[in-house]
Order: sequence, then structure tokens, then C-alpha cells
Amino acid sequence: EVQLVESGGGLVQPGRSLKVSCTASGFTFGDYPMGWVRQAPGKGLEWVGFIRSNGYGGTTDYAASVKGRFTISRDDSKSIAYLQMNSLQTDDTAVYYCTRGGSGWDVVLYWGQGTLVTVSP
Amino acid sequence: QSVLTQPPSAFGTPGQRVTISCSGSSSNIGSNPVYWYQQVPGTAPKLLIYRNNQRPSGVPDRFSGSKSGTSASLAISGLRSEDEADYYCAAWDDGLSAWVFGGGTKLTVL
Repeated sequence: EVQLVESGGGLVQPGRSLKVSCTASGFTFGDYPMGWVRQAPGKGLEWVGFIRSNGYGGTTDYAASVKGRFTISRDDSKSIAYLQMNSLQTDDTAVYYCTRGGSGWDVVLYWGQGTLVTVSP
Repeated sequence: QSVLTQPPSAFGTPGQRVTISCSGSSSNIGSNPVYWYQQVPGTAPKLLIYRNNQRPSGVPDRFSGSKSGTSASLAISGLRSEDEADYYCAAWDDGLSAWVFGGGTKLTVL
């Protein structure tokens, strides 16, 4: 069974940084793309970005709203995906979900339970 | 403003069939498959339909997806109270090089 468990969320001041993690189990981590989707309170889903498997170059794509501020990385030896968030703004406040993809167009198939990041003075 | 357009709300009664639409463009739905997710309030989203019309194991066959041109639809037949949730469509957008979601449709079972 695919399991994705996020950790590292919390309260952070505007302008500061935060790194959240996603620990995966139940599948061969290195074979799949991993990503992040966020949901601001009372709002819809917003894709943040993803990282392809190393077999596909380990390249990344990001939403325009976070490009240049957020970085997604992966440690296949530990089955962990990371989301490094810099220069955080109040409108980055959201539940951040870790996601796993599949092959081809299957960017988002599985979801974690989410971790709340609150950006506030 | 979401790249994919969904109606904000939909309504149905138990046993009824409802459909939720998702409109996009040639750079997303027009050239790539569509995915649907269900989010029960207070929980994480769950994949409902992938690659336009495929159901993951465990998803009842009451749920079906279709696509035509730059639009897609999710149909739910034999509506049940537990289907009350938010539904989101999504697809890859070649122009944005990004995964894009619809704004979501809140389904109420009356």
C-alpha cells in the first residue's frame, strides 16, 4: 500500500524559510515522480511542483507562483521527498500535500494527509 | 482564476445521476488526459478517475469520466449521501509546463 507521510509544517514568519518532508513507503520510491500540491484555507487545490525520477533526469517543474522561491528535491536512498520554501509570504499559508505520480502523464495519483504551513508575523 | 473551469456547485438527490463539467483549452485537456479527484471535507483528496475514463481499484463503477475536445465530464450515477464532497479536474498543460486544476465543484446531495 502506498503511504506518504508529510512532516515539518508549522508557524513561520514572513520572509523566513521552511523545509517540509515526505516519507514514502509501500513502493520503489526511486521509480516514481514525487510532488507537492497545496490548499489554502477554504480554497481549492493548487499544484506546487514535482520532481521526476532519476530515470527521467530528476528534473523539476514548478507553478509560476512559487518558481524561484520553492525547491523540490529527493533522496532515493531514504525514500524522502523535500519541499524547501524560501521567502515565505502570508499567502503561502496552506495545507501542503505530498503526491506521487505514475508513468507518462500521471503526475498526481496518490496523496499524503498533508501538513499545515502557517505564515504569519 | 483557474486554468480549468468547473461549475462551483452541483446538486442531486439520492439515486439520481449528476454530471460535473470541466472546460479547458488545446494546451491542456485538448492534448492530454484528464484526471478527477474527490475531496471529502476535512480529508485529503483521492484519485477518482485517471487518463480520462480509468477507475483505480476500489472506486465504484458509479463514477465514470469522459472527454471530448477541450472539455471533460465526471458522471456519478446512483447518487449516495457519501458522495457529498468537492470534485476537482486536472490535466497537464503543455504551454505552462504545469499540472493545472479546476476550481472545484461542491456536490451537495439533497
